[in-house]
Amino acid sequence: EPEVTQTPSHQVTQMGQEVILRCVPISNHLYFYWYRQILGQKVEFLVSFYNNEISEKSEIFDDQFSVERPDGSNFTLKIRSTKLEDSAMYFCASSAGQSSYEQYFGPGTRLTVT
Amino acid sequence: DAKTTQPPSMDCAEGRAANLPCNHSTISGNEYVYWYRQIHSQGPQYIIHGLKNNETNEMASLIITEDRKSSTLILPHATLRDTAVYYCIVRVYSNDYKLSFGAGTTVTVRA
Repeated sequence: EPEVTQTPSHQVTQMGQEVILRCVPISNHLYFYWYRQILGQKVEFLVSFYNNEISEKSEIFDDQFSVERPDGSNFTLKIRSTKLEDSAMYFCASSAGQSSYEQYFGPGTRLTVT
Repeated sequence: DAKTTQPPSMDCAEGRAANLPCNHSTISGNEYVYWYRQIHSQGPQYIIHGLKNNETNEMASLIITEDRKSSTLILPHATLRDTAVYYCIVRVYSNDYKLSFGAGTTVTVRA
């Protein structure tokens, strides 16, 4: 069964450093998403991406965040200058279509900012 | 998106049916009801969704009341592996990308 994969599973970085989280969505999917979950809190939407552009983003997704689909398979989330409060699980998801289609989530990357 | 209300937690006996309620009294005509679950900090997993008719798949059944103000997710034969946080989410049918997760219901299946 096809699945969303994410690398690395755990990333430790120092405050102020740049990090790139990588995702490989399901191959025939067209819509891609990033969510995050701070320990003990709700899963929060960050951004959705379709046709090589951002289709929706939340207030959390400020200028320090960016997303990219550098080739036909990868989808990345970059955090330019990490802060302590960026420590969280980051989940990538993909779907075949919007709204009525289910989103498939990856296993997540645990980001720890020290 | 319409707000949903779920009980914070519930227990269920292994092998028995688990009935998870969700209240969405302000749901609009163009909003679907979705259920996802999250097993111990793994990525959320899609379970089922519906508009107004009852739905069933290999994982669960979804019962939506006639007025659509509430729904029930039914896990027919709960197993220990069904222990998870279950999220009820309502979502506009068109032009809506994000899933808005609440706190969900923590379901513990006991042997």
